Parts: sequence; C-alpha cells; structure tokens
Amino acid sequence: GDSVTQMEGPVTLSEEAFLTINCTYTATGYPSLFWYVQYPGEGLQLLLKATKADDKGSNKGFEATYRKETTSFHLEKGSVQVSDSAVYFCALSDPGNTDKLIFGTGTRLQVFP
Amino acid sequence: DAGVIQSPRHEVTEMGQEVTLRCKPISGHDYLFWYRQTMMRGLELLIYFNNNVPIDDSGMPEDRFSAKMPNASFSTLKIQPSEPRDSAVYFCASSWGDRGYYEQYFGPGTRLTVT
Repeated sequence: GDSVTQMEGPVTLSEEAFLTINCTYTATGYPSLFWYVQYPGEGLQLLLKATKADDKGSNKGFEATYRKETTSFHLEKGSVQVSDSAVYFCALSDPGNTDKLIFGTGTRLQVFP
Repeated sequence: DAGVIQSPRHEVTEMGQEVTLRCKPISGHDYLFWYRQTMMRGLELLIYFNNNVPIDDSGMPEDRFSAKMPNASFSTLKIQPSEPRDSAVYFCASSWGDRGYYEQYFGPGTRLTVT
C-alpha cells in the first residue's frame, strides 16, 4: 500500500543554517505530494504541494521538488529562523487508490538563535 | 472563509463522563476527517466521511468512540465513557474530492484531558 517515510527528528539547527528534511514515498499510482507544518499548539497547515513529477512547490522560503525517479519530496530552506521551529509532515494523495491523505510520522525542527 | 471550526478548544472531564467534540467543515467540502494526536502514537486517523456517509472507521479505537455527520456542515465525535488514555488533541479536517487530489484543511483542534 501507499506509504510515506520521513527522517527521524528532532532536527536541531542554529538560525540561518540550511535545512533539509528527507521524505520518500511508495505509491501505486501518480500521487500528489504535500508538506504540512504544525506550530506549537496549533493544527496542521498546508505549507506547499506538488501535483506532478518535476513540479517544485514553494512557500515562505521553503521548497520541495517532486522527484519520481527517486520517489522523494525533500523539504529545504536556505536560511532557517527561530520562528520555523515546528513539526513538519510529509503527505501524499493517491486518488486512484485512496481518498485519504497518507501522512509521514512528522519531523520536529528546533531552531536556536 | 472561516476555515474548519472545532469546539470546544479545551475540554477537561472526569473518567466515566461522556465527551462530545464538534466540527464544522469548510463550506462546499465533501470529505470530513477526525484525527487524534498524542506524543506516543503521533497523528492517527480515526474515521472519515464522504458526503456525510462514514467510509472508513477502522481507526476508531473501540466501541466507546462514535462519530456522526447528520448534515454537510456538522459532525460530532463522542466518547462514552471517557478514560484517562483518551487524553489527546483531536483534530477535524475537511477536503473536497473533485480536484484530482485531496488537500486537507485542519481545524485548530480540541485538547481533551480526562482525569
């Protein structure tokens, strides 16, 4: 079945460091891919998405490219801020197989000044 | 749009009491999802509805949990009787299924504490 695998956290960085959070997926069809972010005490918010291979999603300085050949959707940011501290979830939508979102386990990011 | 609305935001109750959580999805969305989040188990899908009909309730922990969606703009998740291990944050999310993918919008959650 469909699945999403994320790197274990927490990821601890200093402010202005480069961020990569790895995400790989398994899907039977042609999924769309998402990154959600959850700030402390809040619900999940959509951060960015890509609906087909080679698409790049971007928002708030974050980027992720849909790589079909490596079944990956890694999240990157060139210079993190303390305010980016949150939990990040990778997810996929595979409409030909399921009408649910399949979530990864989440990766906690902690950014220190 | 007001987004997904959940109430109450916080609920503290004693073991054995009935708890009802409420959700109003985004207007026009035809899917509604209930999730539970804990430190130990992470984010778990409990049940979801399509056009007010329950599609998959395999994530509902046990018979103490029940969910209803009487109309397109309202859903409830009920726990009766509640137990301390039910303490968690419960999220409602909604989406629409006519875009070729299912992007979900989450509510702010209800933090439930059972003492």
